[in-house]
Amino acid sequence: SQKIEQNSEALNIQEGKTATLTCNYTNYSPAYLQWYRQDPGRGPVFLLLIRENEKEKRKERLKVTFDTTLKQSLFHITASQPADSATYLCALVNNAGNMLTFGGGTRLMVKP
Amino acid sequence: GAVVSQHPSWVICKSGTSVKIECRSLDFQATTMFWYRQFPKQSLMLMATSNEGSKATYEQGVEKDKFLINHASLTLSTLTVTSAHPEDSSFYICSAPFKQGAREQYFGPGTRLTVT
Repeated sequence: SQKIEQNSEALNIQEGKTATLTCNYTNYSPAYLQWYRQDPGRGPVFLLLIRENEKEKRKERLKVTFDTTLKQSLFHITASQPADSATYLCALVNNAGNMLTFGGGTRLMVKP
Repeated sequence: GAVVSQHPSWVICKSGTSVKIECRSLDFQATTMFWYRQFPKQSLMLMATSNEGSKATYEQGVEKDKFLINHASLTLSTLTVTSAHPEDSSFYICSAPFKQGAREQYFGPGTRLTVT
């Protein structure tokens, strides 16, 4: 069966460091992979999309890599700030449509 | 930027009653909207795809007669939880693609449903 796995344990890092979150998937051939941020009691907010033929995408302090051989995406936040503390969700989209399948999310805590 | 709103933001109802949740796309049209459910400390699970002017498509295991979806206009989809039970208590979130065919989605702020 299809699985999308994110580290369920919270990631605690110091302000200014780079946070790296992992998304692994099995039995899936996504055409796109997306990352969303979710704050408690709120809906997710879109951050970045990367296509299957792209290796890396950047947006300000954010960087996403996509390795279709390893079936893995890494999400980096450089120069992290306490305001970056949230749950980060990866989501896969196949070519058939625009339905998102979400991973379980990883909670990031950035300490000042 | 475009925004998706939901109403109400939270609701408490008694077991056996029905609750309607509205999802609106503000300043953009959405022929397709999606409804998700999220239990505490879990991820979003897609319940159904709402299509303007046609029947919704439900995911496996989601009872279509219990979760009624109506997409009556290009800016409004509604989810009605009928004969609610305590196990229906959850966080319900809707979303809509940025534009027709887009892969990125705008999400609403969510509706917290508590059934007593």
